[in-house]
Amino acid sequence: EAQVTQNPRYLITVTGKKLTVTCSQNMNHEYMSWYRQDPGLGLRQIYYSMNVEVTDKGDVPEGYKVSRKEKRNFPLILESPSPNQTSLYFCASSLSLLAPTGRFGEAFFGQGTRLTVV
Amino acid sequence: GQSLEQPSEVTAVEGAIVQINCTYQTSGFYGLSWYQQHDGGAPTFLSYNALDGLEETGRFSSFLSRSDSYGYLLLQELQMKDSASYFCAVSNSGAGSYQLTFGKGTKLSVIP
Repeated sequence: EAQVTQNPRYLITVTGKKLTVTCSQNMNHEYMSWYRQDPGLGLRQIYYSMNVEVTDKGDVPEGYKVSRKEKRNFPLILESPSPNQTSLYFCASSLSLLAPTGRFGEAFFGQGTRLTVV
Repeated sequence: GQSLEQPSEVTAVEGAIVQINCTYQTSGFYGLSWYQQHDGGAPTFLSYNALDGLEETGRFSSFLSRSDSYGYLLLQELQMKDSASYFCAVSNSGAGSYQLTFGKGTKLSVIP
């Protein structure tokens, strides 16, 4: 079954304690990205990756890191979490922009990770 | 940068038709997508338009006018299960970057 898997689904942590949210996809997609979703603000892109070892900042990258050592995995790292990073996080993957028309716009999302930083 | 505008809330009656509009400003535009998200769930892909015109998928249709930077999602024969948030998203590229940027979403409430 084609899917994007995020872990953990729920996480409560304390300010300053490093954490990693994992994301894995089994569709051989080139493009992967992380979004955070906050009430009234929609989905905002944090970081994205166009392929292995190629990452770039999205609209709200401050306080986050990512890596793309393998095509299937795209972990999100919070080196020193703060309460303003409390949010619902989604990982997504899609074919590259150069794929047949429409496929880039068709993103598959993970189940989400609800993070609370106290 | 990119910006997308869509209504924050829409209410419609079961069995009726509803249209959710989306206007956008972006450079390097490739296409407009629509996603559905139920409370507590993940966004799921509904449709994509790269060219002007209407795309139909069952009860859902999506329209794009590139010259007007405008699109809409049309939901027909509304059902209670269509109550959800709907997001438009633009695919764009520029200066070697490729992004899928989402609007803030429209909360659709279907009432009996």
